Amino acid sequence: RKEVEQDPGPFNVPEGATVAFNCTYSNSASQSFFWYRQDCRKEPKLLMSVYSSGNEDGRFTAQLNRASQYISLLIRDSKLSDSATYLCVVNDPEAGNNRKLIWGLGTSLAVNP
Amino acid sequence: EADIYQTPRYLVIGTGKKITLECSQTMGHDKMYWYQQDPGMELHLIHYSYGVNSTEKGDLSSESTVSRIRTEHFPLTLESARPSHTSQYLCASSEWRSEGSYGYTFGSGTRLTVV
Repeated sequence: RKEVEQDPGPFNVPEGATVAFNCTYSNSASQSFFWYRQDCRKEPKLLMSVYSSGNEDGRFTAQLNRASQYISLLIRDSKLSDSATYLCVVNDPEAGNNRKLIWGLGTSLAVNP
Repeated sequence: EADIYQTPRYLVIGTGKKITLECSQTMGHDKMYWYQQDPGMELHLIHYSYGVNSTEKGDLSSESTVSRIRTEHFPLTLESARPSHTSQYLCASSEWRSEGSYGYTFGSGTRLTVV
């Protein structure tokens, strides 16, 4: 079983749609959670951290369910520019002091006109 | 404007050559990382460093080596390149942020092709 699991997609949605991505992680001791965005052939870029109470940044909402070891990302009013791969990332508690991250394979999103 | 720089962006080199991929950051981050990523595949950690004179092997076995003589510089070396080394190599650095989270900043990557 992978330590961080995501549905690879692809998700094909029309502009303006709302789309949700889910992610599960295996180590309950993980404390830090993130969503990164990676465009084709580019480096990953931090989209947002995920906090226990849930957090929102514009059209993006992230939620964490520690009991189920589950993280979600909701994108509202999708734009063409949202097309990318979204990576779910958690810290490796075995490494201590938030030194290493564990990366999901990513979920591919294509927003169509 | 990038705060972490990788050179070269693209490199095509013959089998058996020695190569060094450069990575420098201007943010004063202690932690630096090298990842390998093939197209459409996941990131694999191959080396990391928690500070000067600290280097560790990552989760994916790699024939490359790294050094960390200065905080800002974390070069990766392949003594004898082989076609199996063809991949994208991404360098990253990280910090602990005051809000209780930390983020990785990635360089633009080096796309290596060994022929």
